[in-house]
Amino acid sequence: AQSVAQPEDQVNVAEGNPLTVKCTYSVSGNPYLFWYVQYPNRGLQFLLKYITGDNLVKGSYGFEAEFNKSQTSFHLKKPSALVSDSALYFCAVRQTKAAGNKLTFGGGTRVLVKP
Amino acid sequence: NAGVTQTPKFQVLKTGQSMTLQCAQDMNHNSMYWYRQDPGMGLRLIYYSASEGTTDKGEVPNGYNVSRLNKREFSLRLESAAPSQTSVYFCASSYGQGPSNEQYFGPGTRLTVT
Repeated sequence: AQSVAQPEDQVNVAEGNPLTVKCTYSVSGNPYLFWYVQYPNRGLQFLLKYITGDNLVKGSYGFEAEFNKSQTSFHLKKPSALVSDSALYFCAVRQTKAAGNKLTFGGGTRVLVKP
Repeated sequence: NAGVTQTPKFQVLKTGQSMTLQCAQDMNHNSMYWYRQDPGMGLRLIYYSASEGTTDKGEVPNGYNVSRLNKREFSLRLESAAPSQTSVYFCASSYGQGPSNEQYFGPGTRLTVT
């Protein structure tokens, strides 16, 4: 079975400071990893994904994520956070042969960027 | 290009009532999904449709039925609503079933069952 853990319910950061949102996963075989962001009263928006290749993945809005196979992690990062980055962030994983293209989501991490 | 649209945005039901949540996508995607979102639990898959004419159960299908009406539309029906079905429901679509295909989400339907 595949699973995702986001150990922090909330991350607080000052505007302009680096932002990190943590994610660890468990799958059988090679993972496909995704980050989504949810703004208030909106659906999830795709940020970035890791399929294969370079461990550092760049995505939308200046976000990037680093895949670490030995630590089974896929942390989301942004060098300089903006107030507008305040939202709910979800990590998701899919294993190579998951039935139904099934995505397993973490519980979400709320990011609050203070001016 | 509206992406994924859902109706209604909000709904309040009494226990035992039925309703259908509608979803449509205009991205010519083959696969569609229904999720529910509950606090602290992320999103859980209710049903999915890999392609037009097929539907399959996801992680939490009990109490729900679905219909893939055509390539664009995928509806979710609650035959006899229960308070445990109070949740936010999201429809999503993807081009295919390949594991690298990201999913695109609608704005959600907030359902309260009293």
